[in-house]
Formats: sequence, C-alpha cells, structure tokens
Amino acid sequence: QVQLQESGPGLVKPSETLSLTCTVSGGSVSSGSYYWSWIRQPPGKGLEWIGYIYYSGSTNYNPSLKSRVTISVDTSKNQFSLKLSSVTAADTAVYYCARGHPERTFDYWGQGTLVTVSS
Amino acid sequence: DIQMTQSPSTLSASVGDRVTITCRASQSISSWLAWYQQKPGKAPKLLIYKASSLESGVPSRFSGSGSGTEFTLTISSLQPDDFATYYCQQYNSYPETFGQGTKVEIK
Repeated sequence: QVQLQESGPGLVKPSETLSLTCTVSGGSVSSGSYYWSWIRQPPGKGLEWIGYIYYSGSTNYNPSLKSRVTISVDTSKNQFSLKLSSVTAADTAVYYCARGHPERTFDYWGQGTLVTVSS
Repeated sequence: DIQMTQSPSTLSASVGDRVTITCRASQSISSWLAWYQQKPGKAPKLLIYKASSLESGVPSRFSGSGSGTEFTLTISSLQPDDFATYYCQQYNSYPETFGQGTKVEIK
C-alpha cells in the first residue's frame, strides 16, 4: 500500500520561503509510471494544483505560482519536496502531496499539513 | 485555464436518496475527469477517473458519466458515510483544475 507523508514547518513568516517534504513508502518515486504532485487547499476553500515532478526531474508548474515554485526529487531518500518563495497570507493552506497517474490522476494522497503564513 | 463549475454547491438529502452532482468544463476535456470525496480534516479520496471508471475499493453505488464538457456523479442510494464534499477535477490540460465542490448534507 502506497503511503505519502508531508513534513515541514507549520508556520512561515511573510516574504520567506515555505519548504515541505513528502516521504513515499510502499512505492518508489523512481517509477516511470507516476508523477509526484503538490496540491493545496486554503482553509474552507477548494483545491489548487501547484505542480508535479517526474523521477527524471522534469517538472510542470501552475502558471499562477510558477515564478515562486520549485519542486525537486531525491530518489535516494524516496522523497520529493516543495519550495514556495515570497509567501504571503494568501499562501496559508493545507498542503497535500499526491501520486499522479496519466489515466487515474491523483490516486494516493498524504494526510496534508497546514502551513500558516504569519509574522 | 479550464474552469470547472459544479452544481449544486450544497445538496440536502436523506439516506437512501439518489443523488446527482453535475460538473461542467469551460471547454472540452474529452473524458479526462475525476471525482473525489473529501471529509472534514481528511485528504480527498479518488472515486471515479476517466469520467466513468470506478476506483478500486469504491462502492458500486457511485457512478460517473459524461464526456466533452458535461459530467455527472451519481450516488444511487445515499449512505450515512457519503455525507461529505465532492470535487470534480479535469486532467485534460495544464494547469489541472478542480471544481469548487458540492457539499452533501443530511436533510
């Protein structure tokens, strides 16, 4: 059974960089069949796709966030990571990591981690 | 970006009711549509992919249909565990986008 677990600071100051890591167990980020994604959900609101990475390192980002987002993968640790720079209160959200498949889309999700942007 | 619009935003229903949720895309997405169920404090759970394919382990009372720009999620007989918020998502083109959600409440 594939499991994903987000980790990282729950509080980030405005203008700083949000950094989260997703650890994958029961599967490999090196699998060529899947892409590894980040999705966020502001409190009480809907879902927003942030971007994804393949094991090869190729990425695709939401244009609305592209200038501030970096997603990377560490195949040796079976992890992938998110960095979001110059954060504001609008970036306060529950951040989810998820496994994506070209046909079945997001089939496994982490439990989510709340990141609050506040001084 | 492709806009996904769900209706209704909120739906009040009773156990045993047949429930239908609609999702409309701002342009054709073929059959590249998924449905998720989300309960408070939990991650979304994939129910349907490719518009009508039932994810493994999901009860057969859930079904999806449609193609192009109009899609539906149907729950044939609503169960107590089904009270939740449902989201549609298109994955035909980037950025992948979600509907605003439909909350299914107890009547």
